[in-house]
Amino acid sequence: EVQLVESGGGLVQPGRSLRLSCTASGFTFGDYAMSWFRQAPGKGLEWVGFIRRKGYGGTTEYAASVKGRFTISRDDSKNIAYLQMNSLKAEDTAMYYCSRYYDLWSGSNWFDPWGQGTLVTVSS
Amino acid sequence: DIQMTQSPSSLSASVGDRVTITCRASQSISTYLNWYQQKPGKAPKFLIYGASRLQSGVPSRFSGSGSGTDFTLTISSLQPEDFATYYCQQSYSTPFTFGQGTRLEMK
Repeated sequence: EVQLVESGGGLVQPGRSLRLSCTASGFTFGDYAMSWFRQAPGKGLEWVGFIRRKGYGGTTEYAASVKGRFTISRDDSKNIAYLQMNSLKAEDTAMYYCSRYYDLWSGSNWFDPWGQGTLVTVSS
Repeated sequence: DIQMTQSPSSLSASVGDRVTITCRASQSISTYLNWYQQKPGKAPKFLIYGASRLQSGVPSRFSGSGSGTDFTLTISSLQPEDFATYYCQQSYSTPFTFGQGTRLEMK
């Protein structure tokens, strides 16, 4: 069974850092790009960023709202994707989800499956 | 960035009803449009890719259509488990963006 499990969330003060982990199982992790999303309480879904597989350079892209503060990395030997969050702000408070990025030769691409999420609360 | 706009924002319907949700992109995205379902307290579930192609295991009462800027998600006969929030998402270019969601409620 393909499964993603996020961890590392919690309460953190503004300006501090936090690292989230996304542990994958049930598929060849290194063959896929991985993405992070967030959902503020009562709000919609927001793409945070993603990291391509090593075969595509392992490069990253980010939403403008987190660029320069958040960093996505991966450890294919451990089947883990990370989201390093620095200089956290109150508006970063959200449930954070990771997901596998799936793309077809035709160009169609989507995110599936999603982990259960980990809650990050930024407050003093 | 490509803006995605869904309508309506909420919808009340009954079991057995046919419902349609609309999603509009701020520029042409061909058929690079996905749909997700989210139930309260749960992670999103992937339903449809390429505007009209059902993910394996998704009931056939779900269907999608459209291309360019205008898309629809239709549920042909609502079942109790379909009451949820639905999001469209463009996969044409980064930053990937979502519609604001359509909350489907039981009448």
